[in-house]
Amino acid sequence: IQMTQSPSSLSASVGDSVTISCRASLSIDTYLNWYQQKPGKAPRLLIYGASNLQSGVPSRFGGSGSGTDFTLTISSLQPEDFATYYCQQSYSSSFTFGPGTKVD
Amino acid sequence: QVQLQESGPGLVKPSQTLSLTCSVSGGSISSGSYFWSWIWQPAGKGLEWIGRIYSSGATNYNPSLKSRVTISIDTSKNQFSLRLSSVTAADTAVFYCARGPGYCSGPDCYGYYGMDVWGQGTTVSVSS
Repeated sequence: IQMTQSPSSLSASVGDSVTISCRASLSIDTYLNWYQQKPGKAPRLLIYGASNLQSGVPSRFGGSGSGTDFTLTISSLQPEDFATYYCQQSYSSSFTFGPGTKVD
Repeated sequence: QVQLQESGPGLVKPSQTLSLTCSVSGGSISSGSYFWSWIWQPAGKGLEWIGRIYSSGATNYNPSLKSRVTISIDTSKNQFSLRLSSVTAADTAVFYCARGPGYCSGPDCYGYYGMDVWGQGTTVSVSS
């Protein structure tokens, strides 16, 4: 299953609402996860099952979608949110990640 | 709180086998409620999933790497390992181990909800 993300990068300011899209090459139901990665750090799970907020993740992060089209929304961008975001499908027994979206 | 820590050589010669270990602390790797995964990230590039193993020993691999990859588990040491054979410079990357919720029912294994605990990553360079 191939994953694509758009845009590949975006520029935003503190307080902005940000939306990142992820598309799967075939239907993955809601088996879609989102990660945040900062330079030199391991990825951090933000959203699992398309819309479920991982414990400890601020509520300004939200996920939606099903089938092939998914969205990650950051409602009010904070300074610590500048990072690269990856989607990942867990429908197949062979996971795949999207190419990432850099928010700067 | 579960923590994962990767370890292994930072430099491997071309054509040799890369071997890494992920040590699990704060929880048992024998729990039937998780899978244990390896992910890599070449410098400046995105994440790529390598494979996963369950406490039962069941494995799933990335098809593009399957011929070169072996993931194993040692419950007595509470760790799991990665072996990647016939390495080339293209295998230079940061390697992460991670845990995710999952289970096996008979021969079928599942892991639908992402990877919630990650190691800090270890850099491996392939060079002569």
